[in-house]
Amino acid sequence: QKEVEQNSGPLSVPEGAIASLNCTYSDRGSQSFFWYRQYSGKSPELIMSIYSNGDKEDGRFTAQLNKASQYVSLLIRDSQPSDSATYLCASSGGGADGLTFGKGTHLIIQP
Amino acid sequence: SQTIHQWPATLVQPVGSPLSLECTVEGTSNPNLYWYRQAAGRGLQLLFYSVGIGQISSEVPQNLSASRPQDRQFILSSKKLLLSDSGFYLCAWSLAGYEQYFGPGTRLTVT
Repeated sequence: QKEVEQNSGPLSVPEGAIASLNCTYSDRGSQSFFWYRQYSGKSPELIMSIYSNGDKEDGRFTAQLNKASQYVSLLIRDSQPSDSATYLCASSGGGADGLTFGKGTHLIIQP
Repeated sequence: SQTIHQWPATLVQPVGSPLSLECTVEGTSNPNLYWYRQAAGRGLQLLFYSVGIGQISSEVPQNLSASRPQDRQFILSSKKLLLSDSGFYLCAWSLAGYEQYFGPGTRLTVT
């Protein structure tokens, strides 16, 4: 059974610091990986996708993928209070497959 | 640009009543469409996905069904709701199996 594991938190980070979020996945056939941000009561919003080993940067966000270790991470630089949310890690086998989600990490940015 | 709509936004239904949730996508053709459910304290769970009109794949056996009568319309139904059907129902779309984008969701409470 495909699983994505995340630490549920809460993860508390001071404003302006780097927030580091991690997840692991069980299915070695997974090809695509995604990070979503979900504010309380709202639907998930895609913030990063990564398909190959290494780092991918977009503004203050950096996604990292290590397929050998089956490990995905998200770094948020210069954390802002508006970054406080639940971050969902998801994997896909590719094609039209649906996503397998972790339960999310609750991130709190302290002003 | 693409837009995804879901309605209703909230719904309170008694046990045993029928259900119909609708999702429509604008601004794209032949999208892959997905239904997910997020129950309280649980992760996002894939329920159904569709790669075209009339083509439905079910991921989880349950008392729910899905239909895709038009290219950009996806409907989730039930003949008789259970208490365990309560949750946040999310429709998503993607093209060519890449990033998935979620609609605003329907919060269903079964009483």
